[in-house]
Amino acid sequence: DTGVSQDPRHKITKRGQNVTFRCDPISEHNRLYWYRQTLGQGPEFLTYFQNEAQLEKSRLLSDRFSAERPKGSFSTLEIQRTEQGDSAMYLCASSLEVDGNEKLFFGSGTQLSVL
Amino acid sequence: KQEVTQIPAALSVPEGENLVLNCSFTDSAIYNLQWFRQDPGKGLTSLLLIQSSQREQTSGRLNASLDKSSGRSTLYIAASQPGDSATYLCAVRSDDKIIFGKGTRLHILP
Repeated sequence: DTGVSQDPRHKITKRGQNVTFRCDPISEHNRLYWYRQTLGQGPEFLTYFQNEAQLEKSRLLSDRFSAERPKGSFSTLEIQRTEQGDSAMYLCASSLEVDGNEKLFFGSGTQLSVL
Repeated sequence: KQEVTQIPAALSVPEGENLVLNCSFTDSAIYNLQWFRQDPGKGLTSLLLIQSSQREQTSGRLNASLDKSSGRSTLYIAASQPGDSATYLCAVRSDDKIIFGKGTRLHILP
């Protein structure tokens, strides 16, 4: 396994369209995180999964955003009715969390541009 | 609520110099602190992870220290090279969340 994979690398869409991103974590990693990053800012937490359970969602995540991790493997992040403010890099990370300790491994991200 | 601050926001130094990047956090009840490197338009690459019980970690020319009681961490880069130019981010794990600073953009002048 070569690391965390994200698809697509780039997505250009028109305002109002729906988009879906995929993340394939490192196998055997039990945690999967989604972050959003805009230019000049650090990554902002969106949501995370422990296996297939979504344990927390940020208040940044409006009801237009939904994430799933069926069977505790890959994850998808869907944005419905996209807005220009959704333009950002969407980063996925995975980790093996044991007794409160974990090291994050990130994918290359999906750059979303909403026109 | 945990907040992570990185100072300076940007730094330019001549090649060969040693340098220190700073990271501070408001809540000292952390599990660990991780330093990352990010190249433009790319994802984050983990550099060093310090557990809450540790004081420092070293990898090659990089040394990260952690002072939990004062809420501070530093990343020391020895003998800087142009290839070190990137944004460096620190992230703190507390309350089951991992919170990032905004990063320091480092430019090493050839």
